[in-house]
Amino acid sequence: DVKVTQSSRYLVKRTGEKVFLECVQDMDHENMFWYRQDPGLGLRLIYFSYDVKMKEKGDIPEGYSVSREKKERFSLILESASTNQTSMYLCASSSPAQRGTYEQYFGPGTRLTVT
Amino acid sequence: AQSVTQLDSQVPVFEEAPVELRCNYSSSVSVYLFWYVQYPNQGLQLLLKYLSGSTLVKGINGFEAEFNKSQTSFHLRKPSVHISDTAEYFCAVSGPNSGGSNYKLTFGKGTLLTVNP
Repeated sequence: DVKVTQSSRYLVKRTGEKVFLECVQDMDHENMFWYRQDPGLGLRLIYFSYDVKMKEKGDIPEGYSVSREKKERFSLILESASTNQTSMYLCASSSPAQRGTYEQYFGPGTRLTVT
Repeated sequence: AQSVTQLDSQVPVFEEAPVELRCNYSSSVSVYLFWYVQYPNQGLQLLLKYLSGSTLVKGINGFEAEFNKSQTSFHLRKPSVHISDTAEYFCAVSGPNSGGSNYKLTFGKGTLLTVNP
C-alpha cells in the first residue's frame, strides 16, 4: 500500500519561529511536491522537487524554502513564520511521466497555526 | 498556462439523488485530467483520471467523468449519492506545459458536496 506521511497533523508556532514540515514517501518516487490549501483558493503549489537536491519554485514560493537530501524525504521550511502562513500544508509524490503514471499521492496534511 | 475552473463552490443534494460536479479547463495542448476527493481532515485521494482513449472514465465509489475536448470540460457524475460522499472534490489538469517531464498538477478551487438525508 502506497504511503505518504507527514511529521505532524497539527502544529502551533509563534511568529518569527523557524518551522520544519517533513514529508516521507515509501514509493521510490522521483517527484515530490508541497502545496498549501486555503478555503476558497484550492491547492497552490509552493515548491516541487524532481530529484535529490533538485528543486523548483511553484506558484507561491515566497517565505518558504525546501530541502531534499534523500529521495524519500522532502522538507518544507518556513524561515520566519508569519500569521499569513497559517494554513493546511499538503505533501505529494509521483513517479516521472515517462512511466505513464501521472497521478500524485498525497499525505494527510499538516494544519499549521502561527500565532 | 493551464487553468481549471470548478463552476460551483458548493453543491447540496439529497441522499440517493444524482449529482454532477462541473469542471472546465483551458489548455492549448493535450491534457491529462483528474478528479480528487478530500474527506474531512484528510489528504486528497484520486477518484479517477483521463489520460487517453475512451472519453468516459469510471472511478472509485461509483463516480464517473466524461472528457469533452470541444467543450474543454471534464464533469464528474454519480447517479445516486450517499451520505458518505460528503466531501470536497477537486478537478486537476496536467500535461506537457506543466514543467517538462515533471507533470505538475493545476487544481481547481474545489467543490464542496454535501449530501443531506
